[in-house]
Amino acid sequence: IAGITQAPTSQILAAGRRMTLRCTQDMRHNAMYWYRQDLGLGLRLIHYSNTAGTTGKGEVPDGYSVSRANTDDFPLTLASAVPSQTSVYFCASSDSGGYTFGSGTRLTVV
Amino acid sequence: AQSVTQLDSQVPVFEEAPVELRCNYSSSVSVYLFWYVQYPNQGLQLLLKYLSGSTLVKGINGFEAEFNKSQTSFHLRKPSVHISDTAEYFCAVRNSGYSTLTFGKGTMLLVSP
Repeated sequence: IAGITQAPTSQILAAGRRMTLRCTQDMRHNAMYWYRQDLGLGLRLIHYSNTAGTTGKGEVPDGYSVSRANTDDFPLTLASAVPSQTSVYFCASSDSGGYTFGSGTRLTVV
Repeated sequence: AQSVTQLDSQVPVFEEAPVELRCNYSSSVSVYLFWYVQYPNQGLQLLLKYLSGSTLVKGINGFEAEFNKSQTSFHLRKPSVHISDTAEYFCAVRNSGYSTLTFGKGTMLLVSP
């Protein structure tokens, strides 16, 4: 089934640890995105990539980094996790018709 | 910069009643508008979208929305809701020249018997 796969589904992480959230799409969409969802704040854009080899900062990029080595993969890395990064993270991709979202990664930083 | 305001954080309604979820946006350029639904512990699913053409847009599950450029609104409506419509609904806007999507903070629709 075409779509976006995120891994892991959930994770509890000790503060200060490094963590990479994985995102893979099989739709050959050029653009990909990472959002975080927090209660009462909706979804906020962390980083995006309009095409393989390019990335850009969104609304809340601090503490996060991304890479886009190929069209299909768009991993999000937390270099040194902090409790304020506890959130649900959604990866998405888009073509001219709209966005497709993954099922999310629930991350708890303790 | 673009922004989206969803005026109601929660909308309680009885089953089979009509509902309207409000969304206003701000942008200095032409926009594309979207409504997404999120059921508990799930990702976001596209309900409907306005890209161009008719200002009345019909989506899945009996929902529709009307684009009103003069009022910069894109309210979501359903004439008769079901218990299964209980979910969080997000309005989103994208400038026609850029690909990033800006979301509102969401409206929780609570349908009771």
